[in-house]
Amino acid sequence: AQRVTQPEKLLSVFKGAPVELKCNYSYSGSPELFWYVQYSRQRLQLLLRHISRESIKGFTADLNKGETSFHLKKPFAQEEDSAMYYCALANYGGSQGNLIFGKGTKLSVKP
Amino acid sequence: DAMVIQNPRYQVTQFGKPVTLSCSQTLNHNVMYWYQQKSSQAPKLLFHYYDKDFNNEADTPDNFQSRRPNTSFCFLDIRSPGLGDAAMYLCATSREGTSNNEQFFGPGTRLTVL
Repeated sequence: AQRVTQPEKLLSVFKGAPVELKCNYSYSGSPELFWYVQYSRQRLQLLLRHISRESIKGFTADLNKGETSFHLKKPFAQEEDSAMYYCALANYGGSQGNLIFGKGTKLSVKP
Repeated sequence: DAMVIQNPRYQVTQFGKPVTLSCSQTLNHNVMYWYQQKSSQAPKLLFHYYDKDFNNEADTPDNFQSRRPNTSFCFLDIRSPGLGDAAMYLCATSREGTSNNEQFFGPGTRLTVL
């Protein structure tokens, strides 16, 4: 079954420390993965997608098919990174595809 | 600004009393989605429209219906809300299917069932 697992409900780090938000997936085909972010009092929005191989706001994520992981990393966390982060998997079981979300990890960056 | 708008932001209804949540978009996107998100849970897709084609998720209860009268608007109807239907309901749009296409989310409607 298609599934996204984010094992950490809450991750707390100090400003300037490295951060890694874990995401593991289960998918029978070729996966397409995304990270979405929700800052306080804002709507859910796309942070990055694996297919673009981009770095956004200093965050990167590498798809590791062997480990079925798509962890989100940033070498030096900033206070403004505090938010809820959701890993999502595109599921093409339906006619157009949809997103399967993980339960999210709340990142708290302390000064 | 082009965006996804949800009204109302907060909705209170009584057990069993039908309720309708609305979503509109100025992005002219083909696809509109409705998600349900309960506390500390992942957003869960209820259904989506690709243009006028309706796609219901297999485990979406029959109590939930949707209408899309035109490109801009999409409605979520809950025929007989139960206490378990209290949740945040998120509307999202994308230009085509999911592949390489970002989903744009509205701010959500928080539904309370008394």
